[in-house]
Formats: sequence, structure tokens, C-alpha cells
Amino acid sequence: AQSVTQPDIHITVSEGASLELRCNYSYGATPYLFWYVQSPGQGLQLLLKYFSGDTLVQGIKGFEAEFKRSQSSFNLRKPSVHWSDAAEYFCAVGPGGSQGNLIFGKGTKLSVKP
Amino acid sequence: DAGVIQSPRHEVTEMGQEVTLRCKPISGHNSLFWYRQTMMRGLELLIYFNNNVPIDDSGMPEDRFSAKMPNASFSTLKIQPSEPRDSAVYFCASSPTEKHGGREKLFFGSGTQLSVL
Repeated sequence: AQSVTQPDIHITVSEGASLELRCNYSYGATPYLFWYVQSPGQGLQLLLKYFSGDTLVQGIKGFEAEFKRSQSSFNLRKPSVHWSDAAEYFCAVGPGGSQGNLIFGKGTKLSVKP
Repeated sequence: DAGVIQSPRHEVTEMGQEVTLRCKPISGHNSLFWYRQTMMRGLELLIYFNNNVPIDDSGMPEDRFSAKMPNASFSTLKIQPSEPRDSAVYFCASSPTEKHGGREKLFFGSGTQLSVL
């Protein structure tokens, strides 16, 4: 079955520390992969996406993610976290064709301590 | 552009009542999506439209749920009759392209928090 797993429900990091949010997927074909961020009371905003090509993708707000096919992973990273990064982060996967819909993970809530 | 606009932001109703959620997509976007978010199930796609036509409604949980898109600038999600288990945040999202089924980039509204008592 197609699925997305974000193993960490809640992560707390210190401001200025590095961050890695994990995402693993189960998919029958080459997937399209996304990371979205949701601030409290807001909708989701796209951080970055991977369709093909370079497996290290850069996104907005200084985030990057690396697609590792052998590990079925698409982890999100940021070298230095800012207090404004506190939010919930969602990994999503979708099929490579023109039909189908995105499957979202359950999300990882990020807290940033001063 | 004002982004995707959803109304109301909050809705509290009693079981059995009809609920209508509204969405105005970003002008020029030709794909529109309705999602539901709960703690237990996360984000689930209910239905999506391309050029005002429903493409996939397999996520609509029951016949109590219906969605329409009468024109490119407006969509509704209706629940009739509503039940307590329908309590959730309902998001509308739009996309500027049909490429990849409209998933090139989704723009989300701020959601409607629905509480059914």
C-alpha cells in the first residue's frame, strides 16, 4: 500500500542548531515528493519538491531535502534553525503520472527553544 | 492576489444540520482541491476539480458529503446532515496548472474549523 511515514511526531531543537526531519515512503513507482509547512491556524505552504534530476533539492526559507531511492527517504534539513521555523511539517508523495492525489504524512511538529 | 479564501473560518453546528463551506481559489488557477485534516487521520483528499469538473471524488467519505464548482472562482463543500465525527479542519487548495494532475504546487487556504456538537 502507498504510504508516507514521518516517525517523529514532535521535535524540539535549540535556535541555531541543525535540523533533520525524517520522511519515509512506500510507493510502487518513482514518486513525486513534497515538503509542506503549516503555521498555527494557517494552511500549508510548499517548501520544496522533487520530481526528477538532482536528488538534493533546495527550497524556500533555507530548507533542503535529499531523495534517497535506496532508503525510500526524503528527509528535510536546515543547517541553522530560527525561532520562526516553529511549525508543523508535512511530507507528501504522489504518482508520477497526471492522475492520482497526494498522500500526506501525519506531520512533525517542530518546537524551537531559545 | 489575496490567496485562496475560505469561509467561514470557524463553524459550530448541531448534529443533523446542513453545513456549507466555501472556497474562492486564486484567480487563474484551474485545479481545486478539498482536504480534511484530523488528528487521527491527518490530511485526506476529499475531491479535486480540473477546470470546474470533478476528477476524483473517491475520498468523499459518504453521500452526506457533496462538492460543487459552478465556476472557476467558487466552490462549495456541503455536509448534510452533519455528524460529530465530521468535526475537522477543512482546507481548500488551488493549483495553477494541470501538469502532474494539478499537483505542481498547491496553494492552501487558511481552512475552516468545523465543530459538530
